[in-house]
Amino acid sequence: SQTIHQWPATLVQPVGSPLSLECTVEGTSNPNLYWYRQAAGRGLQLLFYSVGIGQISSEVPQNLSASRPQDRQFILSSKKLLLSDSGFYLCAWSVEVEPLGETQYFGPGTRLLVL
Amino acid sequence: AQKVTQAQTEISVVEKEDVTLDCVYETRDTTYYLFWYKQPPSGELVFLIRRNSFDEQNEISGRYSWNFQKSTSSFNFTITASQVVDSAVYFCALSEGYNFNKFYFGSGTKLNVKP
Repeated sequence: SQTIHQWPATLVQPVGSPLSLECTVEGTSNPNLYWYRQAAGRGLQLLFYSVGIGQISSEVPQNLSASRPQDRQFILSSKKLLLSDSGFYLCAWSVEVEPLGETQYFGPGTRLLVL
Repeated sequence: AQKVTQAQTEISVVEKEDVTLDCVYETRDTTYYLFWYKQPPSGELVFLIRRNSFDEQNEISGRYSWNFQKSTSSFNFTITASQVVDSAVYFCALSEGYNFNKFYFGSGTKLNVKP
């Protein structure tokens, strides 16, 4: 069966510091991978998605970036964190199981607090 | 314009009551998918159901049921005989035929089930 891991689970970082959040998927090959952010009490905002190694699509311009160095690894980074980067970061994966369409499955998330 | 609207921000019920969570979507595509996810206090989004636009049959899974009506662009979720463990934020989501990678999430409905 497939599992998705995210770490760290929680993170407190000062403004201006760098960030690296990691997501890995097990039990599947060539998944589509996604990074979402959820501000406190809000809905989900898609940040990046990737359909293959080295292929990254950005949905929202900001000081975050994403990379996919391996098939089942997705990394979210920042060189300098802003207060507004605080939130709950969720990674998700999907594979196409029908001729069209897919279902996204989410990881446990990382709570980031920027002070 | 919002593609997925969950007008109910928060609902409180007493255990064993039935509760319906509303979801209204907007799309011009004839091929699309609709989803419901549950987000318990732990934060991880749990996939509940996926429906494609060609299948309007309602679905029942235990105490959960879903009513898909294309005529009103709605995909409502009913919990029968609610339990305290049903307390969570519930998200409705839409993906469209031209880009299934992109999920449009509603703002979520927080359900409080009191003993």
